[in-house]
Amino acid sequence: QVQLVESGGDLVKAGGSLRLSCAASGFIFSDYYMSWIRQAPGKGLEWVSYISSRGGMIYYSDSVKGRFTISRDNAKNSLSLQVSSLRAEDTAVYYCARARTGLAPIDYWGQGTLVTVSS
Amino acid sequence: QLVLTQSPSASASLGASVKLTCTLSSGHSSSAIAWHQKQPEKGPRYLMNLNSDGTYIKGHGIPDRFSGSSSGAERYLTISNLQSEDEADYYCQTWGTGSYVFGTGTKVTVL
Repeated sequence: QVQLVESGGDLVKAGGSLRLSCAASGFIFSDYYMSWIRQAPGKGLEWVSYISSRGGMIYYSDSVKGRFTISRDNAKNSLSLQVSSLRAEDTAVYYCARARTGLAPIDYWGQGTLVTVSS
Repeated sequence: QLVLTQSPSASASLGASVKLTCTLSSGHSSSAIAWHQKQPEKGPRYLMNLNSDGTYIKGHGIPDRFSGSSSGAERYLTISNLQSEDEADYYCQTWGTGSYVFGTGTKVTVL
């Protein structure tokens, strides 16, 4: 069955960095676009970034552009998000998710990993 | 700008039905959306892809109680025979070139 398992979340000080990972299994990883979406405490879902199936197209939300970097390794079925220059407002549960293309719905989500930024 | 608008809350009694609305911003009334369920302490769950003509495709294992429909710029999610486990936040989602957009979410309470 499809599995997306995030890891790497932690408590970090403002200005610090982290690397989030998502291990995928149960489907052909290289056939799917992959995304990071986050949910801050008490808030709604916010799209962060996505990367195309072969990595040739990458997009970020304005709130993280220049600070976060998405990448993937299709040989290892893994997705990563390097988060830098962290701010208190980046505190959230970060979810990885898949979609068939950039113009298709997200159709599977992971369970999330918590990033807490202390000031 | 592509924006999805949802009412903050909805409620209905156990066994009743509730209909949630997601409204697409002007100029985007032909867009498809997806509905997702977010229960506390769990990852979101994809419910369905809903087209402007009201046709929809549900995710794997989604009960028949969940259905979708459309009218103009509005996209609906109807939950029939409401169960206690349906108490959750429901988000609509759509996509444009280079971005995904989420609605603000509707909290469903089962009375």
